[in-house]
Amino acid sequence: DQQVKQNSPSLSVQEGRISILNCDYTNSMFDYFLWYKKYPAEGPTFLISISSIKDKNEDGRFTVFLNKSAKHLSLHIVPSQPGDSAVYFCAASAGGSSGSARQLTFGSGTQLTVLP
Amino acid sequence: DGGITQSPKYLFRKEGQNVTLSCEQNLNHDAMYWYRQDPGQGLRLIYYSQIVNDFQKGDIAEGYSVSREKKESFPLTVTSAQKNPTAFYLCASTPRPPYEQYFGPGTRLTVT
Repeated sequence: DQQVKQNSPSLSVQEGRISILNCDYTNSMFDYFLWYKKYPAEGPTFLISISSIKDKNEDGRFTVFLNKSAKHLSLHIVPSQPGDSAVYFCAASAGGSSGSARQLTFGSGTQLTVLP
Repeated sequence: DGGITQSPKYLFRKEGQNVTLSCEQNLNHDAMYWYRQDPGQGLRLIYYSQIVNDFQKGDIAEGYSVSREKKESFPLTVTSAQKNPTAFYLCASTPRPPYEQYFGPGTRLTVT
């Protein structure tokens, strides 16, 4: 039972265009969402996050949108660069007791390829 | 400079042997985590620890064991009871709060 789903295993875009990576979730208790970027044989690198009290968060070329009613989030990369080619994971967490560490539930990832 | 180290990068073992993967962090983070990644899949949580001498099972803890004797260290032992141990293992840590987890470079374990 996948609580976080990334239905597109791969995505190819031209350099300079927009990349849109999508993620759906089923657990209504999730209140914090993150995107990670991962190169082969390396650990994931945190990119950007969003709390459920917001619907948009922007950091440079990266913007995350959250649609709570649809239980959907997306990562926009504009403009896309060849160095952005990697696997992108979305992750979600639910509020625990105050001060407790949270578990992350990860999607299966989307391989983004930015073509020069 | 601060970070998370995992050693070794590649590890080979014979079936039936226990093996311990190292994870050290000097970020002064309270919480530490172990995940495994299999091809085409996301990261799945094995164990996590919020504080020294305390740890909880994740989604796939069977066949694994951990210890947390020091804040900086969270070693993972893959026992012979783990049916499919060959995978890429990732260690992570996080301060409390915020909630972003910072990952180490990973260890590729191959059991034959």
